[in-house]
Amino acid sequence: DAKTTQPNSMESNEEEPVHLPCNHSTISGTDYIHWYRQLPSQGPEYVIHGLTSNVNNRMASLAIAEDRKSSTLILHRATLRDAAVYYCILKPRDSNYQLIWGAGTKLIIKP
Amino acid sequence: DAMVIQNPRYQVTQFGKPVTLSCSQTLNHNVMYWYQQKSSQAPKLLFHYYDKDFNNEADTPDNFQSRRPNTSFCFLDIRSPGLGDAAMYLCATSRRGPNEKLFFGSGTQLSVL
Repeated sequence: DAKTTQPNSMESNEEEPVHLPCNHSTISGTDYIHWYRQLPSQGPEYVIHGLTSNVNNRMASLAIAEDRKSSTLILHRATLRDAAVYYCILKPRDSNYQLIWGAGTKLIIKP
Repeated sequence: DAMVIQNPRYQVTQFGKPVTLSCSQTLNHNVMYWYQQKSSQAPKLLFHYYDKDFNNEADTPDNFQSRRPNTSFCFLDIRSPGLGDAAMYLCATSRRGPNEKLFFGSGTQLSVL
């Protein structure tokens, strides 16, 4: 079964870019890559997702390696409000419901 | 605007005493999920509904049941809570499809005494 691997934690300075890596070397060709984040005492919230091409939205950018075995979530200018656990998740194309969650990276933002 | 609402925010129950957690949504999504999240772990799917079709994960204990009386509401019943059932319970909704994102509620933190 495919799975994702993420660093346990990362630190970054406020107002600097943050690159959160995710390894998914066993990804299948039809798995979508999703990222969610979970702020303290909240439910997870959607950040971004993609299949093969890099993606940008108002929250972040997603860079997907050409072989799709890894991806990087990029926060362009981190603020204190971005301190959260970031989950890298695979969503199989042939399953409408299944999410394969990584263990998550706790992002610490230093003022 | 609250879209997925879970009540209560905190729930305390006694060992073996049945408890019900509730979830409502204003998104009119046809899929609803219940997740269990223990401390410092990723959420774990317990079951989901596609409309009224109920789908149980293979490793969800029989102690956990769910009801979805209509599109907007979903309930999680824990028939005989044990100490190991203390966790955050998260409700989520989505449209059907791998390209669809999930919307989560704020969760119910369950304590078992």
